Amino acid sequence: DAGVIQSPRHEVTEMGQEVTLRCKPISGHDYLFWYRQTMMRGLELLIYFNNNVPIDDSGMPEDRFSAKMPNASFSTLKIQPSEPRDSAVYFCASSFAGAEANYGYTFGSGTRLTVV
Amino acid sequence: AQSVTQLDSQVPVFEEAPVELRCNYSSSVSVYLFWYVQYPNQGLQLLLKYLSGSTLVKGINGFEAEFNKSQTSFHLRKPSVHISDTAEYFCAVRNTGGFKTIFGAGTRLFVKA
Repeated sequence: DAGVIQSPRHEVTEMGQEVTLRCKPISGHDYLFWYRQTMMRGLELLIYFNNNVPIDDSGMPEDRFSAKMPNASFSTLKIQPSEPRDSAVYFCASSFAGAEANYGYTFGSGTRLTVV
Repeated sequence: AQSVTQLDSQVPVFEEAPVELRCNYSSSVSVYLFWYVQYPNQGLQLLLKYLSGSTLVKGINGFEAEFNKSQTSFHLRKPSVHISDTAEYFCAVRNTGGFKTIFGAGTRLFVKA
């Protein structure tokens, strides 16, 4: 398996523009997580899905953020409109809950977002 | 709710010396514990995990960690570090009844020649 695939790796956009981050989880994994990493706040869980259904979105900072998982192999995180304070590295991770040996997450390489 | 405290933000150490990265957690319920490593410009990789059983768990790259329930700690150790171990290390906790993992702030390990 190629692992968790995120795109793009880097995104630079102007304030006010819409940004869409993409994630392809590992095939067979039934949990998908979106995290944001900044120097000031560390790793923050934004939202997670189980079997494509959002379970907990309490970490989504505000209405400008939205996430979807239309099928088991694809998820998006959208920011509209973007602001400079959204600049961060956004990670997607997936996991499989079916076996005790697999309770860790597999992370993607992240998308570094810069809003100017 | 759970929380994780990594007691050192940075740990400089000379090559081939031993190292311990400290982690304390807080939870009112049973937990699973994890250590992840993040190399520059990469995502996090699972280093090791404690789910149940033996309190000493071994992971990849020669790392091990010991779960101490009475002290609510899960310190990471390696007897002899290499330059290539330079990275950021994250301790994480999840309650056994859920699937939401909380990460610590990270400890930057810097191995000097």
